[in-house]
Amino acid sequence: DSGVTQTPKHLITATGQRVTLRCSPRSGDLSVYWYQQSLDQGLQFLIQYYNGEERAKGNILERFSAQQFPDLHSELNLSSLELGDSALYFCASSVGWEGNQPQHFGDGTRLSIL
Amino acid sequence: DAKTTQPNSMESNEEEPVHLPCNHSTISGTDYIHWYRQLPSQGPEYVIHGLTSNVNNRMASLAIAEDRKSSTLILHRATLRDAAVYYCILRGAGSYQLTFGKGTKLSVIP
Repeated sequence: DSGVTQTPKHLITATGQRVTLRCSPRSGDLSVYWYQQSLDQGLQFLIQYYNGEERAKGNILERFSAQQFPDLHSELNLSSLELGDSALYFCASSVGWEGNQPQHFGDGTRLSIL
Repeated sequence: DAKTTQPNSMESNEEEPVHLPCNHSTISGTDYIHWYRQLPSQGPEYVIHGLTSNVNNRMASLAIAEDRKSSTLILHRATLRDAAVYYCILRGAGSYQLTFGKGTKLSVIP
């Protein structure tokens, strides 16, 4: 158990819809990261927050947004969903953001777009 | 972040040591060498990381070449639970994200 909690575990929805994925980091961790894992693209970094502030953006589409709340939990919002958005979405957390900090991953949310 | 090269797949017998290699010839002086693994249907799991010296923890050992252009993750006694994809990742000191490659798929034979 990594201590990172992601909900829901599975999500099935239709094209054009909007969903929200939730992540609770490990106790004491201030950084939250979001990654997407699809069959053709592998694991890709989307976005990172540190103590409520956005710190880095990766390959995140404009239809996607995220935020980190004062209690440090984070939400990833996906809108105008397309078939290609079907993937596993992982959240990770770490104490800080430096390169020597391990990231601890949740078990992911599997998003299926019908 | 600099690129790493790993074999696509490896096999090991249960209860034998496993040496997973990683080449990173363009590593910079401030890049940390991280190893993660991903078991089927789970999120990636942190294994170990190091900068210059060899490192040991309860999961594995990390041996880093003197010129830092390669490293080896050592599982001292493979179990069936160690069957996973292992990722070797270089992460700069000021780098926020992990850049995952294709990794090495380790199969453990009973």
